[in-house]
Amino acid sequence: AQSVTQPDIHITVSEGASLELRCNYSYGATPYLFWYVQSPGQGLQLLLKYFSGDTLVQGIKGFEAEFKRSQSSFNLRKPSVHWSDAAEYFCAVGARGNKLVFGAGTILRVKS
Amino acid sequence: ETGVTQSPTHLIKTRGQQVTLRCSSQSGHNTVSWYQQALGQGPQFIFQYYREEENGRGNFPPRFSGLQFPNYSSELNVNALELDDSALYLCASSSGTSERKNIQYFGAGTRLSVL
Repeated sequence: AQSVTQPDIHITVSEGASLELRCNYSYGATPYLFWYVQSPGQGLQLLLKYFSGDTLVQGIKGFEAEFKRSQSSFNLRKPSVHWSDAAEYFCAVGARGNKLVFGAGTILRVKS
Repeated sequence: ETGVTQSPTHLIKTRGQQVTLRCSSQSGHNTVSWYQQALGQGPQFIFQYYREEENGRGNFPPRFSGLQFPNYSSELNVNALELDDSALYLCASSSGTSERKNIQYFGAGTRLSVL
């Protein structure tokens, strides 16, 4: 069965510091991987996606993620965090039938 | 191009009641998926509708049911509400049912509180 693990429930970083959010997945075939962001009381906004090809993918708002098949990981990174990045981040894998299997999320806090 | 819209935004019900949540899919999309997001958790897949037929279901009881209309909008119905049904219900639309290079776009959700 497909599953996604986000090991960090909360992460706090200083504004301007770099960020890495971890995601590990379990999926038998070639994974289709996504990162979504959710601001309080809001729905999910797609940050970036990996389908195939280049393992380093660029997304919106300056985010990028790297797919590492050997580690079953798809970590999200940003070189310099802004206060407006504070939100909850979800990693997801696209499973059979076009359903998404989500991790439990990582809450990002940004301190000034 | 309009995005995914859901209504209502908030809803309060009591145990045992029934509720209907609505979703309008993004222009050009023929598939709607519903997810339940309990507090502090990631979204969980409820079911998906494609061309007015259910096309896959997660681990939810039959009292969760749905419909899709010819214009691809959708409803989620929950009967005999329980306290644990309190959650944010998210609707996502996409084009087709293959996971290959398919992207789901989410609405803002309906917050359901069961008292």
